[in-house]
Amino acid sequence: EVQLVESGGGLVQPGGSLRLSCAASGFTVSSNYMSWVRQAPGKGLEWVSVIYSGGSTYYADSVKGRFTISRDNSKNTLYLQMNSLRAEDTAVYYCARDGSGSYSFDYWGQGTLVTVSS
Amino acid sequence: QSALTQPASVSGSPGQSITISCTGTSSDVGGYNYVSWYQQHPGKAPKLMIYEVSNRPSGVPDRFSGSKSGNTASLTISGLQAEDEADYYCSSYTSSSTAVVFGGGTKLTVL
Repeated sequence: EVQLVESGGGLVQPGGSLRLSCAASGFTVSSNYMSWVRQAPGKGLEWVSVIYSGGSTYYADSVKGRFTISRDNSKNTLYLQMNSLRAEDTAVYYCARDGSGSYSFDYWGQGTLVTVSS
Repeated sequence: QSALTQPASVSGSPGQSITISCTGTSSDVGGYNYVSWYQQHPGKAPKLMIYEVSNRPSGVPDRFSGSKSGNTASLTISGLQAEDEADYYCSSYTSSSTAVVFGGGTKLTVL
């Protein structure tokens, strides 16, 4: 059974850092396109970042230069390192799998809440 | 990176059909057959309903269908049921550096 479990969210001050983890089971992270998608409170979905099976990475303009996506193949885990956090980064962060390479997300985690506030 | 354009809300009565539009550009919706639709109930993670414009994942009722014409994609739900009440989001591959862009979301109310 495919499962994605995020962790690492919490309260952080503006300018601070946080690392999110997404532990996968039932499939191999490195063989799939894996993305982070976020949702600010009461708002819509916003794509954040992707790491392709070949290792290429891409970011939304809103996080470029501040966030880094990576994966640990030995742990079958996806990460999102978030630096220089801003209030507008406050959101539930979901990891999601693109299992078919069609830029659609067939499995999602339960989400982890990141709150950036002083 | 402009989001795809969706109506903020739509409504329909049980048994009726509704259509939600998703308008983009030739750099996303119009240029690729990589349009997806997601259903999200309050407090839950999104669920994939349609991928590659018109394909349904296993387990999604055939009451849900997708199509595309030019730069506009559409999700049609026929035979509306109370449990269809949710937020719906479209997404598309985009040739800009972002890879994926979402629509702003549409709240479906079943009257």
